[in-house]
Amino acid sequence: GQNIDQPTEMTATEGAIVQINCTYQTSGFNGLFWYQQHAGEAPTFLSYNVLDGLEEKGRFSSFLSRSKGYSYLLLKELQMKDSASYLCAVREPGSARQLTFGSGTQLTVLP
Amino acid sequence: DGGITQSPKYLFRKEGQNVTLSCEQNLNHDAMYWYRQDPGQGLRLIYYSQIVNDFQKGDIAEGYSVSREKKESFPLTVTSAQKNPTAFYLCASGQGARNEQFFGPGTRLTVL
Repeated sequence: GQNIDQPTEMTATEGAIVQINCTYQTSGFNGLFWYQQHAGEAPTFLSYNVLDGLEEKGRFSSFLSRSKGYSYLLLKELQMKDSASYLCAVREPGSARQLTFGSGTQLTVLP
Repeated sequence: DGGITQSPKYLFRKEGQNVTLSCEQNLNHDAMYWYRQDPGQGLRLIYYSQIVNDFQKGDIAEGYSVSREKKESFPLTVTSAQKNPTAFYLCASGQGARNEQFFGPGTRLTVL
């Protein structure tokens, strides 16, 4: 099984930088995803890490350390539209390659 | 446009009634998934299917049933045995080495 921990809520100011952490304890690991979910909507894919290191995509970056069971999502130049829930998900090894999701971090961006 | 559709967006049912939620995808993905999301919670896996005519239980399958008669379709039935069915239901599909999952818009089910 998998256990995934994220902070429940975070608040930041427009234009700032925020880091959302995710730690996991798993019996196996085959990749980590970050999704963004606005209230009442479907999650949308942000990033994927399977090897240690930093993946950068525009204002968003994601980091993974497999030895520490740790990932973070870094959001730069925050905008009001970034207010959303950010979900960390770990993929299990095996043919089904299911995702196990954390409870999500609700980010509020203030003007 | 390729994508995943779920209908309806909002659904109301009386307690004790079965209800079926639809999920259709035209992405040609082999794998499809059903998740349940409760307020302030992450997604929990109900059922998944890797190929047509085959599906497996996820973490919270009790009170739910599915079928996969066509590659494009993976309907979910919420039965009267499900004790707390009011929730937001999300369908997803995925394929390839990374198996990034793409989500439909969701169905919010309220049982009165």
